[in-house]
Amino acid sequence: DVKVTQSSRYLVKRTGEKVFLECVQDMDHENMFWYRQDPGLGLRLIYFSYDVKMKEKGDIPEGYSVSREKKERFSLILESASTNQTSMYLCASSETRAGYTFGSGTRLTVV
Amino acid sequence: AQKVTQAQTEISVVEKEDVTLDCVYETRDTTYYLFWYKQPPSGELVFLIRRNSFDEQNEISGRYSWNFQKSTSSFNFTITASQVVDSAVYFCALSLTGFQKLVFGTGTRLLVSP
Repeated sequence: DVKVTQSSRYLVKRTGEKVFLECVQDMDHENMFWYRQDPGLGLRLIYFSYDVKMKEKGDIPEGYSVSREKKERFSLILESASTNQTSMYLCASSETRAGYTFGSGTRLTVV
Repeated sequence: AQKVTQAQTEISVVEKEDVTLDCVYETRDTTYYLFWYKQPPSGELVFLIRRNSFDEQNEISGRYSWNFQKSTSSFNFTITASQVVDSAVYFCALSLTGFQKLVFGTGTRLLVSP
């Protein structure tokens, strides 16, 4: 079964820490995405990538960066975590004929 | 720019009632895809349906049905004879061709009580 795997289900980090959220897909999809989910706001796009080493800002990129050195891996980086980045983070991949596949999510708490 | 509106924040029904979740979308493109996802308490997004803009046929899958009307830019989702297991947050979403970024609505929380 095809999969998008997020490295952690739950994560607790301290304010000011550098945080890495990892996402790996095994479907050879071109496109990968990072979304943030907050109650009442739905899922909002942070960053996306259409190819290796390519990235584009989504709707809420501030405070985040991304890295895509290999096709299967798309990392979300919080350079200096803050409490307002406490949220559920969802990774997804897609391809034209295949649609979208989502990971299970990482619930990040910044204290 | 694309936008998806789910005006119903939360709906509560009693088991066996029918319930319709509304979705209104905005896009200037003529080719696009519409989706519905279910998010149960476990948190995973479960894919329910994908529709392209050229296919306005209504679809039925068991107790689920979808009504796509381009004239009103709506893609509504009806659950017939609801069950407790239908309790979840439901998201409507839109993407353009090539399955590029997916734009989500804010979701509708459905509570089905016994």
